[in-house]
Amino acid sequence: KNEVEQSPQNLTAQEGEFITINCSYSVGISALHWLQQHPGGGIVSLFMLSSGKKKHGRLIATINIQEKHSSLHITASHPRDSAVYICAVTPRAYSGAGSYQLTFGKGTKLSVIP
Amino acid sequence: NAGVTQTPKFRILKIGQSMTLQCTQDMNHNYMYWYRQDPGMGLKLIYYSVGAGITDKGEVPNGYNVSRSTTEDFPLRLELAAPSQTSVYFCASSYSFQYNEQFFGPGTRLTVL
Repeated sequence: KNEVEQSPQNLTAQEGEFITINCSYSVGISALHWLQQHPGGGIVSLFMLSSGKKKHGRLIATINIQEKHSSLHITASHPRDSAVYICAVTPRAYSGAGSYQLTFGKGTKLSVIP
Repeated sequence: NAGVTQTPKFRILKIGQSMTLQCTQDMNHNYMYWYRQDPGMGLKLIYYSVGAGITDKGEVPNGYNVSRSTTEDFPLRLELAAPSQTSVYFCASSYSFQYNEQFFGPGTRLTVL
């Protein structure tokens, strides 16, 4: 069974700090997703990646397929970055009914203090 | 484009009542999904659809039903609501499953008392 583990579960940072959230998974995947969920809000896809590194503004996502590990970095953090960040993976091998499902981590709750 | 829309945003049901959660997307996506999110837990897939007329069960389908008569709409039906169905429900869609990101609706917060 594929497991997705995120660390830390909770993270408090001062505004301006560099933040790293980690995600590890246990089986082969075709893609990894980073999602953002603001308090009481909907879910937004930040990145989908299958190799290397992607950057969008102050957010950077990296993945190491061999080590089954991904990191989400936030540079120059801001209070508006306060949210839950969710890692999810698309399993590589899927077939037949019931297979079209991502495996989600439980999320990392980030609070950025001014 | 409105993206993925869901109605209602909030609902309180009594045990044994039924209701339909509506989901519509305007991106012409073939794949649509219903998830539930319980506090402290990861999202869990209830049902999914790979196109109009084709649906299948996800990880936690018991107590729910779906239909997909059009590409745009994917309603989720709760029959005989139970307190265990208190949760936040998200609908999502994607162009394909393996190679495309999923777009999520704003969610429906359901309480069953």
